[in-house]
Amino acid sequence: QGQLEESGPGLVQPSHTLSLSCAVSSGSVSDAAYYWSWIRQTPGRGLEWIGYFHSSGSTSSNPSLRSRVSMAIDTSKNQFSLRLSSVTAADSAIYFCAREEVTTSLFDLWGQGAQVTVSS
Amino acid sequence: SYVLTQPPSVSVDPGETASLTCGGQDIGSKSVHWYQQRPGQAPVVVISHQGYRPSGIPERFSNSQSGNTATLTVSGVEAGDEADYYCQVWENARVIFGGGTKLTVL
Repeated sequence: QGQLEESGPGLVQPSHTLSLSCAVSSGSVSDAAYYWSWIRQTPGRGLEWIGYFHSSGSTSSNPSLRSRVSMAIDTSKNQFSLRLSSVTAADSAIYFCAREEVTTSLFDLWGQGAQVTVSS
Repeated sequence: SYVLTQPPSVSVDPGETASLTCGGQDIGSKSVHWYQQRPGQAPVVVISHQGYRPSGIPERFSNSQSGNTATLTVSGVEAGDEADYYCQVWENARVIFGGGTKLTVL
């Protein structure tokens, strides 16, 4: 089935950029059958879709975050990444990377989640 | 924007049937997926729109949808089914999750 694993700083200062990576074991980020996605979760907002990046270069993101989000894949490391700029305390959340089937929009594989806190 | 509405909590006795609903405009015409999340863990697929259940998910979990309601049915509820359950659709070029239902086994 494979595995996804998030990594990155657990603490980010306000107004700075949050950066996370997701390592993919078993399978390739070049596989056109999948979108490589990011989702976050907070007690107040529940599960919130951030966006995806596809090996073709296509990308899509939540309109509420679009102006601050950038995503990419690194085929040499078989991983994908998220950058969220100008963060505030409202961006404190558990961030999940996930694999989404292109044809069904099913998130069939998730990372374990990374807690990110925005604080000075 | 499209909204999925789930009751915050559902409680059932062991062995009973739990019906977890997900409301949305014309959801019966959309592909609805369901996820289970236990405390401290990531969500996992419990059943896809097409009825796919990953290995380890028993046939006691089934799905249906019609009109403005999609339903996840858990038959013969067991203590191990206690978790949060989320519905999810793809709508207007974005992914939408419901707010989640906490299933409590009494």
